[in-house]
Amino acid sequence: ETGVTQTPRHLVMGMTNKKSLKCEQHLGHNAMYWYKQSAKKPLELMFVYNFKEQTENNSVPSRFSPECPNSSHLFLHLHTLQPEDSALYLCASSRQSGGNIQYFGAGTRLSVL
Amino acid sequence: DQQVKQNSPSLSVQEGRISILNCDYTNSMFDYFLWYKKYPAEGPTFLISISSIKDKNEDGRFTVFLNKSAKHLSLHIVPSQPGDSAVYFCAASIREYGNKLVFGAGTILRVKS
Repeated sequence: ETGVTQTPRHLVMGMTNKKSLKCEQHLGHNAMYWYKQSAKKPLELMFVYNFKEQTENNSVPSRFSPECPNSSHLFLHLHTLQPEDSALYLCASSRQSGGNIQYFGAGTRLSVL
Repeated sequence: DQQVKQNSPSLSVQEGRISILNCDYTNSMFDYFLWYKKYPAEGPTFLISISSIKDKNEDGRFTVFLNKSAKHLSLHIVPSQPGDSAVYFCAASIREYGNKLVFGAGTILRVKS
């Protein structure tokens, strides 16, 4: 079993749909992250949670809504997305803050039609 | 403005030879640097890191060099193997500011047998 599991792996949605991405980590970490990777661009940090509290929102549009019910689970709720939101969404976790190594899930490939 | 740049989108190397992947950064406050490797359909996996108090870190076939005055780091893979073919991402952070990683856009490495 991988340390960080993301579901679904692929998602196609219309602009009026509401969907959620799920991330679960089995590493005992207390920090979790959402990243967006668009084609040929660097990974962009979206949100950071430390001990279930959001500590970073990197100017992400409100159509992306994160939720962290506990240190092991992280969700990204999606609604009224735009085609330019199509990308690979990656979840990561780490043991603590301050430059520690982040461990990534395999990502959800999202297509918005 | 990209703070971490990987100027070579791709690199092709013969099996057994050395692969050298380069990364430049602009923020002199970065004090921790990491390299990640990513295979298709998988998330990035941590490879090796280096703190700004060092100029070299070695782990098996992988060595990272840091030149702070030039704001440049490089990853050396010796000898290169076909299984090393992947996308390599450079990342940087400021430990004092918490767990934000700034990524480069990646370099595709192809090792030919």
